Amino acid sequence: DAKTTQPNSMESNEEEPVHLPCNHSTISGTDYIHWYRQLPSQGPEYVIHGLTSNVNNRMASLAIAEDRKSSTLILHRATLRDAAVYYCILPFGANNLFFGTGTRLTVIP
Amino acid sequence: NAGVTQTPKFQVLKTGQSMTLQCAQDMNHEYMSWYRQDPGMGLRLIHYSVGAGITDQGEVPNGYNVSRSTTEDFPLRLLSAAPSQTSVYFCASSYGARVGLPEGNEQFFGPGTRLTVL
Repeated sequence: DAKTTQPNSMESNEEEPVHLPCNHSTISGTDYIHWYRQLPSQGPEYVIHGLTSNVNNRMASLAIAEDRKSSTLILHRATLRDAAVYYCILPFGANNLFFGTGTRLTVIP
Repeated sequence: NAGVTQTPKFQVLKTGQSMTLQCAQDMNHEYMSWYRQDPGMGLRLIHYSVGAGITDQGEVPNGYNVSRSTTEDFPLRLLSAAPSQTSVYFCASSYGARVGLPEGNEQFFGPGTRLTVL
């Protein structure tokens, strides 16, 4: 089963960039890398996904290593509203997203 | 669109009682699923459905039943509640039937039901 490894917690100053790393050394060739985040007392929400190329959207950027064994979620300017648990996710079985414990991001004003 | 809605928001049960957690979506999504989240943990898949009339087990199905009679609704039944089922329950839906599809297939989550079993 493809699993991911993330740091338990990270801190960032407000309005500075944040790089959230994820290792997924057992990823298969067709697995998309998904990122979700969970704000306090809410359900998870989709952030971004990608396969091989770097991806950008209005929320974040995703940088994927050439060997696809790691990736980095980039928040360009952290705000207090970005304080959340960030999950790096690979497909698990036919229809499961394995969430793991994620990285708790603290944003310091 | 209301998105994914869950009722109730909070529930307290006694050991051995049964109840149904409700989940509905108005996005005409084929795929729906139930997760549970224990304190300090990530989400774990309980059951999922790839369309009306089709359900399957996830990672932690024991003690739970589901059915999918319509595209919109996917209720989760606790047959005989146990303290180990104290958790926050999230329902999710997505357009396609396979969440690991190459196109990414974003999942939409409900606000959760906080269940305590005494």
